[in-house]
Amino acid sequence: DQQVKQNSPSLSVQEGRISILNCDYTNSMFDYFLWYKKYPAEGPTFLISISSIKDKNEDGRFTVFLNKSAKHLSLHIVPSQPGDSAVYFCAARSQGGSEKLVFGKGTKLTVNP
Amino acid sequence: KAGVTQTPRYLIKTRGQQVTLSCSPISGHRSVSWYQQTPGQGLQFLFEYFSETQRNKGNFPGRFSGRQFSNSRSEMNVSTLELGDSALYLCASSLAPGQGIDTQYFGPGTRLTVL
Repeated sequence: DQQVKQNSPSLSVQEGRISILNCDYTNSMFDYFLWYKKYPAEGPTFLISISSIKDKNEDGRFTVFLNKSAKHLSLHIVPSQPGDSAVYFCAARSQGGSEKLVFGKGTKLTVNP
Repeated sequence: KAGVTQTPRYLIKTRGQQVTLSCSPISGHRSVSWYQQTPGQGLQFLFEYFSETQRNKGNFPGRFSGRQFSNSRSEMNVSTLELGDSALYLCASSLAPGQGIDTQYFGPGTRLTVL
């Protein structure tokens, strides 16, 4: 069973507009969520994270929102830039001290100039 | 500060052979985790090490094993390679488990191709 789901395999937006990437999870034991950006043949690059005790975290152009009751989080990129084009992964970690991350299958974002 | 390094970056093996991949974590990081990325399955957790001890293991057969050394460097080994083992193997490091909010940083990966 897929505990972390990214239902949109791809997203295309215009430069300067907002990109919204969505992620749903099923496991109530997840206490920490992260977004990673990945280029082909490279390792994922950490973008932003949020603890389950918060509902929003902002870092520059990137904001992550967490809705615990809906088990849903989203990543907003404003304004979107062509260099943001990559695959974005949502990941979640369970309570209990393990470093194991459960990943969604990713959303490929294309920002068109 | 140097990032996570993985060697080799690319590897080609044939079925039945075994392979060892190496990971050096960020200086000061003592926790190392391994992930396998394939087009069909995405990123899947293999195992997690801290203080030379395996703390957690994913759903992979016993052909997949690993270890961690006293300097926090880690290796993973895959024996009796199968075609389906072709993947990008990623190593991630973090300060230590159970430290509350902590972030894992990934290396560039080792691309393993099994022929």
